[in-house]
Amino acid sequence: SYELTQPPSVSVSPGQTARITCSADALPNQYGYWYQQKPGQAPVLVMYKDSERPSGIPERFSGSSSGTTVTLTISGVQAEDEADYYCQSGNSSATFVIFGGGTKLTVL
Amino acid sequence: QLQLQESGPGQVKPAETLSLTCSVSGYSINSGYYWGWIRQPPGKGLEWIGSIHHSGNIYYNPSLKSRVTILIDTSRNQVSLKLDSVTAADTAVYHCARVRTVAGSKVGNWFDSWGQGTLITVSS
Repeated sequence: SYELTQPPSVSVSPGQTARITCSADALPNQYGYWYQQKPGQAPVLVMYKDSERPSGIPERFSGSSSGTTVTLTISGVQAEDEADYYCQSGNSSATFVIFGGGTKLTVL
Repeated sequence: QLQLQESGPGQVKPAETLSLTCSVSGYSINSGYYWGWIRQPPGKGLEWIGSIHHSGNIYYNPSLKSRVTILIDTSRNQVSLKLDSVTAADTAVYHCARVRTVAGSKVGNWFDSWGQGTLITVSS
């Protein structure tokens, strides 16, 4: 079955760089997307088409894709970046959507 | 500005049908885009339920397809979700969202605007 695999947790100190990975066999043919979700809030899109940042998302958020893995990088992490992050992708005909299990980012 | 607002009963009894409505404001759903439903059980991750276009195209998550119906009402600018034969495992926050698509050397769908979500508890 098709799965997206994320690390359950990532911890960084303020000002450091956080990297959250998402891997799956189908990713080379599919774009990856990233959402940030804070407690009690709806998810917010922070990256689309692997590396494009929506308007209003700080420049410290960036995305990349290599082989079977997409990565969300947060440079100069701030306390407000503490949240759950979910990757998302789909099938080759864009008729199916799948989410990764989520990564809890802790800012120490 | 696009806004999505989910509404529903809050609580549904086991074996009954869950019915939710997503009211869209700031954009006519007749103008394009797919509209999707995503749910999140308490303390767990996101699960895509399905997506619909005003043209009638609908895609469902295969794991839920036998129990799910998504409809679109362009006159009311609403999208609805029905989930049959619910169990405790269907307890979740249900979100509606606008779907963006891309086609080319790579294809894909993503959700660029989300409603706040509504909590549905399945309990007798």
